[in-house]
Amino acid sequence: DSGVTQTPKHLITATGQRVTLRCSPRSGDLSVYWYQQSLDQGLQFLIQYYNGEERAKGNILERFSAQQFPDLHSELNLSSLELGDSALYFCASSVGLDAGELFFGEGSRLTVL
Amino acid sequence: GIQVEQSPPDLILQEGANSTLRCNFSDSVNNLQWFHQNPWGQLINLFYIPSGTKQNGRLSATTVATERYSLLYISSSQTTDSGVYFCAVLILWGNNDMRFGAGTRLTVKP
Repeated sequence: DSGVTQTPKHLITATGQRVTLRCSPRSGDLSVYWYQQSLDQGLQFLIQYYNGEERAKGNILERFSAQQFPDLHSELNLSSLELGDSALYFCASSVGLDAGELFFGEGSRLTVL
Repeated sequence: GIQVEQSPPDLILQEGANSTLRCNFSDSVNNLQWFHQNPWGQLINLFYIPSGTKQNGRLSATTVATERYSLLYISSSQTTDSGVYFCAVLILWGNNDMRFGAGTRLTVKP
């Protein structure tokens, strides 16, 4: 158990819909990272938050947004979903601002039909 | 951007065999991790190893940062070692995102 908690574990929805994925980092970790793993793209970095502030952005679509709350949990919002958004979405956390050792949650598997 | 190449892409072993997985990267890094993704999709930390050598049971890893490669050794492999092994690096002056290689898919047969 990495200590990073993600919910839901599985989600099935339809095109055009919106979903929210939730992540609670390890106790004491201030940074939260979101990654997308799809069959054709591998593991892709989406976005990082540190202590409530956005710190780094990767290949995140404009239809996607994220935030980190004062209690340090984070949410990833995916809207206007397309078939190609079907993927495994991982949250990871680390102690500091710079990506030291990352610990990953079990992932949220999103299926868009 | 940084290139992270893992080899071999696929590896099939008999239980009890040893193996070496390689990760080459194209730029200076200040962080390197090895992960095992099990058949259920979980990403499990194996090693945080920006440089040097570490061992954990049947697994060990070595990173030679000056030559831009890392090796993961698996000895006396077991069927539970099956899955995909990823190397991920954080470049020295980058966007603070860990870049993952494409992985090595390991199948251990009984």
